[in-house]
Amino acid sequence: DQQVKQNSPSLSVQEGRISILNCDYTNSMFDYFLWYKKYPAEGPTFLISISSIKDKNEDGRFTVFLNKSAKHLSLHIVPSQPGDSAVYFCAAPNRGSQGNLIFGKGTKLSVKP
Amino acid sequence: EPEVTQTPSHQVTQMGQEVILRCVPISNHLYFYWYRQILGQKVEFLVSFYNNEISEKSEIFDDQFSVERPDGSNFTLKIRSTKLEDSAMYFCASSSQTPFTGELFFGEGSRLTVL
Repeated sequence: DQQVKQNSPSLSVQEGRISILNCDYTNSMFDYFLWYKKYPAEGPTFLISISSIKDKNEDGRFTVFLNKSAKHLSLHIVPSQPGDSAVYFCAAPNRGSQGNLIFGKGTKLSVKP
Repeated sequence: EPEVTQTPSHQVTQMGQEVILRCVPISNHLYFYWYRQILGQKVEFLVSFYNNEISEKSEIFDDQFSVERPDGSNFTLKIRSTKLEDSAMYFCASSSQTPFTGELFFGEGSRLTVL
């Protein structure tokens, strides 16, 4: 049961351009959505989140957009930098849960100099 | 910056052996978690722990698994009799937030290889 889906396993972008990572979900009861970044040999690191009552949240170069009618969210990174190369996970906490964060499979972003 | 630390970074064990993975959460955090990622698959929730007891566990967290906070700093995951399918990266995480919003601080992970 894939409640959180990332359909693109990889994305390659030129330095300075925009990176757009996409995520779809099936559970309309999610209250929050999060993006985590993961470098090799490290654990996931929280990047940015958005409440389900908002449609946009911005933090520096990172912006998350939420389209509830389409059950879709996206992470925009602009401008992209080589240090942004990592695996990006979309995630959502199971409603009412005490710790069950449901992850997508991840998208590997490569930013080329 | 405070961080979650995990030991060992990699453990190789024989099927049927007991394994203990250790974690030191961030010191002022009260909520602790274990997740795992089998190679090529999603990061999956195992268990959450608060006030010295399990808050929630997933279907994966069966009787072979247990967690403990033996002292004021360590948080451990024990697998009593390992199976081949337990091979995975195990991540410990902690947070200070309630209610649960998903913002967790993860450790670097412990890779478990069961032969």
